[in-house]
Amino acid sequence: EPEVTQTPSHQVTQMGQEVILRCVPISNHLYFYWYRQILGQKVEFLVSFYNNEISEKSEIFDDQFSVERPDGSNFTLKIRSTKLEDSAMYFCASSERTNTGELFFGEGSRLTVL
Amino acid sequence: SQKIEQNSEALNIQEGKTATLTCNYTNYSPAYLQWYRQDPGRGPVFLLLIRENEKEKRKERLKVTFDTTLKQSLFHITASQPADSATYLCALHNNAGNMLTFGGGTRLMVKP
Repeated sequence: EPEVTQTPSHQVTQMGQEVILRCVPISNHLYFYWYRQILGQKVEFLVSFYNNEISEKSEIFDDQFSVERPDGSNFTLKIRSTKLEDSAMYFCASSERTNTGELFFGEGSRLTVL
Repeated sequence: SQKIEQNSEALNIQEGKTATLTCNYTNYSPAYLQWYRQDPGRGPVFLLLIRENEKEKRKERLKVTFDTTLKQSLFHITASQPADSATYLCALHNNAGNMLTFGGGTRLMVKP
C-alpha cells in the first residue's frame, strides 16, 4: 500500500540552526501539507502546497519557515533559525484532491531544539 | 473565529459498549467533515468522511452523524474493543478546500 515517508524520524538541533525535514508523498497525489504537533497538544496546520506553490498557510508559518518541492518526489520543510518552541512532531501529508480528499499522513519527524 | 471543539477529557468505557464522541464547530459552513484516528507518536489515519447532505455514514463498527443545524457531528464505535483505544480527531476544511483543521481530539480508552 502506498505511503507517505518522512526523514529523519528524529532530529536534535541547537537553537538557531537550520533544519530541513523531508517527505516523499504518495506518487499520484497532487496536494501536500505540513502539520506540527507539540507534545500533548493538537495537530496544527502549517501549510498546503499545490502546483509548485503555497496555496494556504497558517499564522505559525512565518518567515522562518519555507517549503519546497525540489524534484518530482520530495517535499521539504525548512526552518531557517530554530527556536526552542519549534520542538514538536512534524507531519507531512498528501492527498489526491482538496475538500473531499482524505489526507494520508507520514509517521512524523520529531524535532528537538536545545 | 472558527473553532472545532472536542471533549478534551478522556472517555473510558468497557469493552463491548458503544463509545460516542462529539465534535462541535462554530463559524464553519462545511460541506464535508472528516474523522481521523491518532495513536501515540503516530500520524493521524483517516477513518470516515461525511457530506452535509448525509445524515449518517457507516463503516463496519463505526457510525458518524452530521447535523449542520446543530453544527455537530457524533462518532460512534459499537462493540468497542481495547484495540479501539486511541485519540479521535474531527476535521473540517476551509471554504477554499486547501486547509484541513483538526479539533483537539478526544482520547478513548476501552478497558477489557
